[in-house]
Amino acid sequence: ELKVEQNPLFLSMQEGKNYTIYCNYSTTSDRLYWYRQDPGKSLESLFVLLSNGAVKQEGRLMASLDTKARLSTLHITAAVHDLSATYFCAVIYYQLTFGKGTKLSVIP
Amino acid sequence: DAGVIQSPRHEVTEMGQEVTLRCKPISGHNSLFWYRQTMMRGLELLIYFNNNVPIDDSGMPEDRFSAKMPNASFSTLKIQPSEPRDSAVYFCASSPRISTDTQYFGPGTRLTVL
Repeated sequence: ELKVEQNPLFLSMQEGKNYTIYCNYSTTSDRLYWYRQDPGKSLESLFVLLSNGAVKQEGRLMASLDTKARLSTLHITAAVHDLSATYFCAVIYYQLTFGKGTKLSVIP
Repeated sequence: DAGVIQSPRHEVTEMGQEVTLRCKPISGHNSLFWYRQTMMRGLELLIYFNNNVPIDDSGMPEDRFSAKMPNASFSTLKIQPSEPRDSAVYFCASSPRISTDTQYFGPGTRLTVL
């Protein structure tokens, strides 16, 4: 059974600071997704990471994948309030399995 | 493109009643997924279809739950009879191919069973 673990589960950070969210998974996979969910809303796809060493960036968010370590990171640079949301990583192994999510609150 | 469409957006019903949730996937997508989200259990995959055929329903919690996909543009998730523990947000998602493409999520149906 594939297990996907995110940490931290809750993150409160000040505007302007940097931080990293970690996603570990238990079974070999070379495809990892990051989604964002705003309160009361649906899930929005942020990144698809397709191979070892893949790095993708969009604005203040940068995601990377290390398939050997079974680890993905989502790095936040100079956080702003608009980034407050819950971030999920998800891994393909027969089907898409989601982590529990990291609830990010960016405080002015 | 209108994206994945779900209806109703909110449903409040009483225990024992039948509930039907509906989903229209993105046109041209061959795979459709039903998820349930709760605070306690997070996002759970209930069932998924490929080319209208159910592939894996191992996530369906019990026989009270059933799902159909009669054609490429419509799917239903039915709960009969409903129970308070079924209260959750139910998402439908679709993707171009079954296991390798990004899934696009609908807005969800918030179900409350009293």
